[in-house]
Amino acid sequence: GEDVEQSLFLSVREGDSSVINCTYTDSSSTYLYWYKQEPGAGLQLLTYIFSNMDMKQDQRLTVLLNKKDKHLSLRIADTQTGDSAIYFCAMVPGNTGKLIFGQGTTLQVKP
Amino acid sequence: EAQVTQNPRYLITVTGKKLTVTCSQNMNHEYMSWYRQDPGLGLRQIYYSMNVEVTDKGDVPEGYKVSRKEKRNFPLILESPSPNQTSLYFCASRRQGVVDTQYFGPGTRLTVL
Repeated sequence: GEDVEQSLFLSVREGDSSVINCTYTDSSSTYLYWYKQEPGAGLQLLTYIFSNMDMKQDQRLTVLLNKKDKHLSLRIADTQTGDSAIYFCAMVPGNTGKLIFGQGTTLQVKP
Repeated sequence: EAQVTQNPRYLITVTGKKLTVTCSQNMNHEYMSWYRQDPGLGLRQIYYSMNVEVTDKGDVPEGYKVSRKEKRNFPLILESPSPNQTSLYFCASRRQGVVDTQYFGPGTRLTVL
């Protein structure tokens, strides 16, 4: 089945850029997603990229998709303490309609 | 306000005592699902439902039951909870065929002693 991998932890200083990485095995997903989970809360869709795109920018967020290497990344520019959260990449392999999540990367932003 | 609600938010129980976690959505979504979140494992799907009276197993269905008698409700039932079901549970819903509009509930933290 689909395997989605993320590193578990990232620590950055406020104002720096953060880059959260995700690798996957099944390249049939039409959309690839980034979800954010703040402490004590549910998951919130942060952004997504269509599989025929290489890059998508949305204010401070930049999503890069390297289909050849099956690598997805989320860059947060000018990281703020409010960005501290767990970030999940997710995708829907084939036409299953089922979201498969990575393990989640905990982003710690130090003042 | 569009939302998915879950109850209870926190629950401590003992092994073998049946419990139900309720989930309700007010968006008339066809598709609903349950996930459990465990450290280092991300979210894993337990069960999902594509519409009323249509349910199917996800990746980790053992020890769980669901029902979908009404479109808005999708309760998760643990007939005989065990300590390995201690976890954080999320209900989610979306319109069928539209993956990018999936809404998550706030989560239920369950501890089984």
